[in-house]
Amino acid sequence: QKEVEQDPGPLSVPEGAIVSLNCTYSNSAFQYFMWYRQYSRKGPELLMYTYSSGNKEDGRFTAQVDKSSKYISLFIRDSQPSDSATYLCAMIYSGAGSYQLTFGKGTKLSVIP
Amino acid sequence: NAGVTQTPKFRILKIGQSMTLQCTQDMNHNYMYWYRQDPGMGLKLIYYSVGAGITDKGEVPNGYNVSRSTTEDFPLRLELAAPSQTSVYFCASSTGQKNSPLHFGNGTRLTVT
Repeated sequence: QKEVEQDPGPLSVPEGAIVSLNCTYSNSAFQYFMWYRQYSRKGPELLMYTYSSGNKEDGRFTAQVDKSSKYISLFIRDSQPSDSATYLCAMIYSGAGSYQLTFGKGTKLSVIP
Repeated sequence: NAGVTQTPKFRILKIGQSMTLQCTQDMNHNYMYWYRQDPGMGLKLIYYSVGAGITDKGEVPNGYNVSRSTTEDFPLRLELAAPSQTSVYFCASSTGQKNSPLHFGNGTRLTVT
């Protein structure tokens, strides 16, 4: 079993839909969780960062962490065509160096006008 | 600020040729990283550096070399290119703290034929 599992999609939704992107992980030592967004032919950029279980909201984006289930989610409300990108989850354990960040494979999202 | 700049954007190599992928950052970050991204495979760490003069191997270092003579620059050297090195290469930098984002360049698309 890989440390981080992420459904690669592709996921296609109509504009205005609520999008749910998910990752599961096997290493209970992971403590820090991130979502990166990657537009086509660009480098990833940090979208959300969370440390503890629960929800963190930033505008139309909500990151959710459930450590008991080893499951993280990114919700996008009122999705826009500009949200079309690949979303990568990433996580790291508290004793690790920053170079030990583990990425999911990414989910490609298309928001159709 | 330009952030992380990678050159070239595209390159085609013949098997056995060598090349250097250039990366420079203007954020005074101590930590720099090289990743490769293959379709459906996520980001794999090749090499990283925690400061000038200090480099170490990541998950997939074979066939590559790096050097870090300055804080700003972190070139990646491919010796004896092989088709398996066809990929998109991303350079990134960070402060090294776990809650600080990785800042990525826009990648170099390399094809080895």
